[in-house]
Amino acid sequence: GAGVSQSPSNKVTEKGKDVELRCDPISGHTALYWYRQSLGQGLEFLIYFQGNSAPDKSGLPSDRFSAERTGGSVSTLTIQRTQQEDSAVYLCASSLSGTGTGGEYFGPGTRLTVL
Amino acid sequence: EDQVTQSPEALRLQEGESSSLNCSYTVSGLRGLFWYRQDPGKGPEFLFTLYSAGEEKEKERLKATLTKKESFLHITAPKPEDSATYLCAVRDHNNAGNMLTFGGGTRLMVKP
Repeated sequence: GAGVSQSPSNKVTEKGKDVELRCDPISGHTALYWYRQSLGQGLEFLIYFQGNSAPDKSGLPSDRFSAERTGGSVSTLTIQRTQQEDSAVYLCASSLSGTGTGGEYFGPGTRLTVL
Repeated sequence: EDQVTQSPEALRLQEGESSSLNCSYTVSGLRGLFWYRQDPGKGPEFLFTLYSAGEEKEKERLKATLTKKESFLHITAPKPEDSATYLCAVRDHNNAGNMLTFGGGTRLMVKP
């Protein structure tokens, strides 16, 4: 069946510009997560959605980062006034429920490069 | 604060040479320990979840085990296609956000 999809797969932008990253989770999955993976660093949690609500935004690195989820499905991660340190692979994952006992299923990621 | 440490950082094996990857963790209340495989340029692929000490799970040439302080991923008679980065992560009962805390990964290279 269809897995988690993300778009774009690659994004190159100039410092100071805004970017939007999109995630389509597996149909029926109520939990959705955003993570960031930088060179030399492990996977870093950004935000968790249960349905359209975000009970945990503790991983968002600054107020330049925001995310929303609509219809209990698609999510967008927005980075305003991008900085070079925002360059990373942004990964989205979904899971069937919010109980946290199952594994998450990850998308292929969006590679963001800020020049 | 939850912590996950994986060792070794990199491991080179000959095809057929069995070995183990280690994941040491510190968590206030383990809700699950997860193993993922990640190929270059792709997202992590879910392998196993372990919930309590003594639990074991197997999939093809991989077997994951769990104690109160660490988990091992045993690879039996590996093949070149097993080459990947293997990631370990934990989820904490005391984290309502359900976030996973990941280790740095072990990069496995299997030579034919």
